[in-house]
Amino acid sequence: KQEVTQIPAALSVPEGENLVLNCSFTDSAIYNLQWFRQDPGKGLTSLLLIQSSQREQTSGRLNASLDKSSGRSTLYIAASQPGDSATYLCAVRTDYKLSFGAGTTVTVRA
Amino acid sequence: DAMVIQNPRYQVTQFGKPVTLSCSQTLNHNVMYWYQQKSSQAPKLLFHYYDKDFNNEADTPDNFQSRRPNTSFCFLDIRSPGLGDAAMYLCATSIKGIGTQYFGPGTRLTVL
Repeated sequence: KQEVTQIPAALSVPEGENLVLNCSFTDSAIYNLQWFRQDPGKGLTSLLLIQSSQREQTSGRLNASLDKSSGRSTLYIAASQPGDSATYLCAVRTDYKLSFGAGTTVTVRA
Repeated sequence: DAMVIQNPRYQVTQFGKPVTLSCSQTLNHNVMYWYQQKSSQAPKLLFHYYDKDFNNEADTPDNFQSRRPNTSFCFLDIRSPGLGDAAMYLCATSIKGIGTQYFGPGTRLTVL
């Protein structure tokens, strides 16, 4: 059974600092890994998807890396802003199924 | 814009009173999913439809049922809600094999 872990559970940084969010998974036989953002009481917004054959993906200030063999992914958010405050979840896809971590809740202080 | 829509956004029901949550999509995706997310926890897959084929997760309680009358709509029925069923219910869609799952805004269910 795939287990996905995100550490830390919460993170608070001053505005402008770079954010580093970690995700680890136990079964490296994945098709892809997806990072999501969730605002309080809302649904999930897809940020980045990395296919298993890729090492990283970038979108604007966001960069996600994937090391499938070691079961790790990292999401980097450059020059954080208060609007980046949210919970960030990673999810790995094996066959049809997405297995989620519980998320890292980020607070960016103005 | 193509999207995943969930209704209602907030639903209050009484203990044991059946409730139905709705999901619709304009993406024309062939796979639709229902997830349950309790506070500060990871979303948990309940079941999914690949076209008309229903796939139940092994640990999904019998209290939860689903219907997909056509490509665009999918319903989640909770036959006898308990207090432990209070959660956010998320609907998602994807094209199988491509990978990205697109989520709706969720329905927050409260059980009194």
